[in-house]
Amino acid sequence: KAGVTQTPRYLIKTRGQQVTLSCSPISGHRSVSWYQQTPGQGLQFLFEYFSETQRNKGNFPGRFSGRQFSNSRSEMNVSTLELGDSALYLCATSLGGSGGVYEQYFGPGTRLTVT
Amino acid sequence: AQKVTQAQTEISVVEKEDVTLDCVYETRDTTYYLFWYKQPPSGELVFLIRRNSFDEQNEISGRYSWNFQKSTSSFNFTITASQVVDSAVYFCALSEATAAGNKLTFGGGTRVLVKP
Repeated sequence: KAGVTQTPRYLIKTRGQQVTLSCSPISGHRSVSWYQQTPGQGLQFLFEYFSETQRNKGNFPGRFSGRQFSNSRSEMNVSTLELGDSALYLCATSLGGSGGVYEQYFGPGTRLTVT
Repeated sequence: AQKVTQAQTEISVVEKEDVTLDCVYETRDTTYYLFWYKQPPSGELVFLIRRNSFDEQNEISGRYSWNFQKSTSSFNFTITASQVVDSAVYFCALSEATAAGNKLTFGGGTRVLVKP
């Protein structure tokens, strides 16, 4: 089974621009979560999508948004980039049905640098 | 609110030594799940174990073992006879079952350096 894939792997953007990151889940996984990892704040939960609906949301400003498609692939978007958005963005997928908490499998991440 | 604390930021050992990573958590829920993940230098988090709050049995998987103690809200991880390939950052994480869906709260991580 193929693992979680994320594209692009590396990205350099300028302050004020916007960026879209993509995540393709493991086959059969319907839940996709996004996390931001920085040296200062560690790993922080952004949001989770299940069946094309946002099911959970972390404490991030509205500049961070996401969506999920019918094939469970997900994208996250960051608008009006700030220097502090420089981070490793990790996507995690799981079976994600109701009635339990499933282990999440992570992709290799997208390293975003904002200059 | 849930919280995970990994007090050890970095541990350095010589190959074949045992190393124990501490994890203390806080939650108001009676049903929750605990996880350990490994992040090697490549950056991808690798799932190691999931444990629910009703299962306090310790678990062993090869050189890895986990000690879950609900009374002290701890879920510690031991690597026996460490190897250079164990060098990585290890994260403990918590997910509350009452929250809809999956949301992991991570500890700050412990960097393990195994020297040959």
